[in-house]
Amino acid sequence: ETGVTQSPTHLIKTRGQQVTLRCSSQSGHNTVSWYQQALGQGPQFIFQYYREEENGRGNFPPRFSGLQFPNYSSELNVNALELDDSALYLCASTRKGIQVVETQYFGPGTRLLVL
Amino acid sequence: AQSVTQPDIHITVSEGASLELRCNYSYGATPYLFWYVQSPGQGLQLLLKYFSGDTLVQGIKGFEAEFKRSQSSFNLRKPSVHWSDAAEYFCAVGAQPGANNLFFGTGTRLTVIP
Repeated sequence: ETGVTQSPTHLIKTRGQQVTLRCSSQSGHNTVSWYQQALGQGPQFIFQYYREEENGRGNFPPRFSGLQFPNYSSELNVNALELDDSALYLCASTRKGIQVVETQYFGPGTRLLVL
Repeated sequence: AQSVTQPDIHITVSEGASLELRCNYSYGATPYLFWYVQSPGQGLQLLLKYFSGDTLVQGIKGFEAEFKRSQSSFNLRKPSVHWSDAAEYFCAVGAQPGANNLFFGTGTRLTVIP
């Protein structure tokens, strides 16, 4: 158990719809990252939030957006869903500190299916 | 650019046998390396990490990994595999300073036979 929780666990949407995924960080962690894991692949970095601002972004289009709240919980929003957005979405939290790269702790993920 | 290669897509070992999972990385600076394990339908669990210092790193569940800069490798080992070790294993490298994003390999699926 990492203390990172995600909701919902599973979700089915249709192409063109919008979806919001939620993450609650581990206590004391102030940074959250989101990853997309397609079937049979490793996770790919979407973006990271620190102090409620985006702090790095991977190769994902603007229709992927996020929020981080003062209590360090976070949301991932995806607009205009496409079939290729079907994947496991993982949230990872960490505490930004003096280490250049901090250890990230992952939640169980939300599995999204786009039909 | 950072990248990670896990050459073995699928490995099958007998219970009690030794295990080595390969990982090669590409990164221009000092790498920060991780091994994660993912059981079916689950998130990622950190097995071990290397930031600096001793190149042989001990992790949870009896796993260890050795960082070899000359070979750009960070292979994961376990002397005696248990049936519960069957899972997907991912090697990851830390990216540019401050961003805290990880680059993952495509994973190695481990099957353990009795």
